[in-house]
Amino acid sequence: SSELTQDPAVSVALGQTVRITCQGDSLRNYYASWYQKKPGQAPLLVFYDKDKRPSGIPDRFSGSSPGNTASLIITGAQAEDEADYYCNSRDSSGNHVIFGGGTKLTVL
Amino acid sequence: EVQLVESGGDLVKPGESLRLSCAASGFTFSDAWMNWVRQPPGKGLEWVGRIKSKVDGGTTDYAAPVKGRFTISRDDSKNTVYLHLNSLKTEDTAVYYCTFSGSYGPYYFDYWGQGNLVTVS
Repeated sequence: SSELTQDPAVSVALGQTVRITCQGDSLRNYYASWYQKKPGQAPLLVFYDKDKRPSGIPDRFSGSSPGNTASLIITGAQAEDEADYYCNSRDSSGNHVIFGGGTKLTVL
Repeated sequence: EVQLVESGGDLVKPGESLRLSCAASGFTFSDAWMNWVRQPPGKGLEWVGRIKSKVDGGTTDYAAPVKGRFTISRDDSKNTVYLHLNSLKTEDTAVYYCTFSGSYGPYYFDYWGQGNLVTVS
């Protein structure tokens, strides 16, 4: 299939750890990347490939990608991490990019 | 410093056309695969399409909802990528972003424009 499925909403207590997941058949062949999206701002790449974090992204952001599920893990969530998070990857053809539906993260 | 500056967003009627521009600076534009991503109001991100660099064939790919209606082109002499939106529908209303990967591989988008609103009503 060419879809990526995310939970619509997740919450985490300040300072705790949260896992945001993304499921899709194409993830068996292609790694996901993760984007943080805040209102009025452009998306921000926060994690990509099997285990890579872009320059400037705090090390509390990490990821895993076994099988058909990719996860973004935030260890010690901060108030500024409250945002929508989107996974993306390639579709089964490898030529198109697909996004998950997004997960709204609330930091309590 | 890498910059992507979009322009051309407007309020148009269903069936009309529009052209968005994304002017790039701060990197070797001709080497970049340029993408367009959109976000309808209150909804998620949606990949619209991509144009590869000329050295990689200059080919385009489009998401199913826009294929046949939207066209991406590039002018490497002007460091600009365009999104031509034809036969617009109300569901095309969205903020449109141009984006590309500068450092991490063609499918990981680390640079984004500020976004440009297209309203079809």
